[in-house]
Amino acid sequence: NAGVTQTPKFRILKIGQSMTLQCAQDMNHNYMYWYRQDPGMGLKLIYYSVGAGITDKGEVPNGYNVSRSTTEDFPLRLELAAPSQTSVYFCASSYSSSLTGAFFGQGTRLTVV
Amino acid sequence: AQSVTQLDSHVSVSEGTPVLLRCNYSSSYSPSLFWYVQHPNKGLQLLLKYTSAATLVKGINGFEAEFKKSETSFHLTKPSAHMSDAAEYFCVVSTTDSWGKLQFGAGTQVVVTP
Repeated sequence: NAGVTQTPKFRILKIGQSMTLQCAQDMNHNYMYWYRQDPGMGLKLIYYSVGAGITDKGEVPNGYNVSRSTTEDFPLRLELAAPSQTSVYFCASSYSSSLTGAFFGQGTRLTVV
Repeated sequence: AQSVTQLDSHVSVSEGTPVLLRCNYSSSYSPSLFWYVQHPNKGLQLLLKYTSAATLVKGINGFEAEFKKSETSFHLTKPSAHMSDAAEYFCVVSTTDSWGKLQFGAGTQVVVTP
């Protein structure tokens, strides 16, 4: 069981560069999420998707974009990296809207210098 | 709207003694509540969940939590701490109107001393 797979695990970007964080799940979950984790702040929701072709903003969407062309994949795009985007990013998926909790990937540690 | 407050940012316990992590929540609708654990440089693992069934919920690794609606609390306990319990713990709330979006508390760092 792969669960939720994120790539890469680590990345260093220069200010202004772009990159895509990949997320894939093999559990046929409709709901997928991107969170960022900053020290002492818990996790904040960036974007979420309730199914292929449907995405919406979370609490902290500025500077990010997402797409959901398939049920399995939910990539997160950073267009112009800024130091404020230095964080650990977690992708998650869930089967139902709220009752089951979510399965998390191992995270991507991103540093913008 | 929903929110979560974890009342302690750090908890230090001796191995073999009880652990108590406190969590209060606020929710406009009937909440689902969760505790997640994160070991250093790891992802998040679901410890247990409350979804309107029994108010005392048992999870993995000997943890349990009690949902108290009158106190809007969902405290996590374990009778006897183990060294492997050293980690960060997150109390999380979700509601049926929120598309499964999870609202996280700020986390409680647990240190276990020999």
